[in-house]
Amino acid sequence: DTEVTQTPKHLVMGMTNKKSLKCEQHMGHRAMYWYKQKAKKPPELMFVYSYEKLSINESVPSRFSPECPNSSLLNLHLHALQPEDSALYLCASSQDNSGGTRSYNEQFFGPGTRLTVL
Amino acid sequence: AQSVAQPEDQVNVAEGNPLTVKCTYSVSGNPYLFWYVQYPNRGLQFLLKYITGDNLVKGSYGFEAEFNKSQTSFHLKKPSALVSDSALYFCAVRVLYNFNKFYFGSGTKLNVKP
Repeated sequence: DTEVTQTPKHLVMGMTNKKSLKCEQHMGHRAMYWYKQKAKKPPELMFVYSYEKLSINESVPSRFSPECPNSSLLNLHLHALQPEDSALYLCASSQDNSGGTRSYNEQFFGPGTRLTVL
Repeated sequence: AQSVAQPEDQVNVAEGNPLTVKCTYSVSGNPYLFWYVQYPNRGLQFLLKYITGDNLVKGSYGFEAEFNKSQTSFHLKKPSALVSDSALYFCAVRVLYNFNKFYFGSGTKLNVKP
């Protein structure tokens, strides 16, 4: 199984709602990522988890809250979002590259969740 | 600072002609470079990577990329373009001091016309 799945595919929420995005992979990858992507722009890194621990937070506002319950799952909890947060949210995974033995593994991306904040 | 640049927002090519999508990089130390493709409303798909060794790297769907250290470039190429190659292409570089962090170029829209 070389697939990263994301649910839901589409999400519309109001600024006072609380919702969650989910990501799952069964490739045994120990690094998982959240990216935000605006139309025709490159993905912007938000968070990286390495061995279920948060290793990178790119100064993301606290209205975005990541969670890694286990090595296969990654969640992004959303609360009090703004209309400018509307974007495609991409999850990715890779073999971890931060260990003592350097490895140079590519990321596998999910199809994304298209989020619209009204 | 680590960075990667894609100087062309858009590349137009006729079907059957060779295509090149340009990428230049700026890194401290050895570069670890990747190409990804994104079709509309989809995630990114890995095409190929350069870590070390042969400067010509072959990847998925007939794509290849040439690493040129003196010109700090990693251009993506294909000998004969297909209409189905039309998509958004991203070059990416691995950050030296944090191997789990990738920086993406701004992207190049490839249009292949029949």
